[in-house]
Amino acid sequence: AQKVTQAQTEISVVEKEDVTLDCVYETRDTTYYLFWYKQPPSGELVFLIRRNSFDEQNEISGRYSWNFQKSTSSFNFTITASQVVDSAVYFCALSEAGNYGQNFVFGPGTRLSVLP
Amino acid sequence: NAGVTQTPKFRILKIGQSMTLQCTQDMNHNYMYWYRQDPGMGLKLIYYSVGAGITDKGEVPNGYNVSRSTTEDFPLRLELAAPSQTSVYFCASRTGRETKNIQYFGAGTRLSVL
Repeated sequence: AQKVTQAQTEISVVEKEDVTLDCVYETRDTTYYLFWYKQPPSGELVFLIRRNSFDEQNEISGRYSWNFQKSTSSFNFTITASQVVDSAVYFCALSEAGNYGQNFVFGPGTRLSVLP
Repeated sequence: NAGVTQTPKFRILKIGQSMTLQCTQDMNHNYMYWYRQDPGMGLKLIYYSVGAGITDKGEVPNGYNVSRSTTEDFPLRLELAAPSQTSVYFCASRTGRETKNIQYFGAGTRLSVL
């Protein structure tokens, strides 16, 4: 069965600090996809990144970076030099290629508060 | 760029009332989904559809029904509202192509059942 764990329920940092959000997943499929979404206080879900199971390269996009490690089943998300606008709930999600419908299984989310 | 549109944005129902949450997308996506998000929790799948005329249950389908008569529309029906259905409901869609399997979400419908 597929499962996503985000052990950090809430994190508070001061602006300009770096912060890493952890995501650990479980799947029996060899082909799967991992995602991160941001949910700001306004409530919408904003897509951040998609990774497939065959691509373990780390990704950097501006202040955001992602570290995908199949050996530890982790897909962690780091924000460098955090800003107040980064305050949101961040969700990690998993989609299995062998799952008909390929719905997402979401983690419970990590609420990040960036204080000025 | 409408994307995925959900209506209404907010609704208050009395116990036992019925309502339909509307979802429409203009991206010609085959796959559509309904999720619910309870306070402080992640999203759970209610129903999904892989094309017009095809629907299937997700993790938490009890108390809900769906239909998919067109590619664009995927309404969610609550027949007898219960307090346990108080939640935020999200509709999402994606293409059928595995290489483009990002789900795009609507803005959500906040439902309270009192």
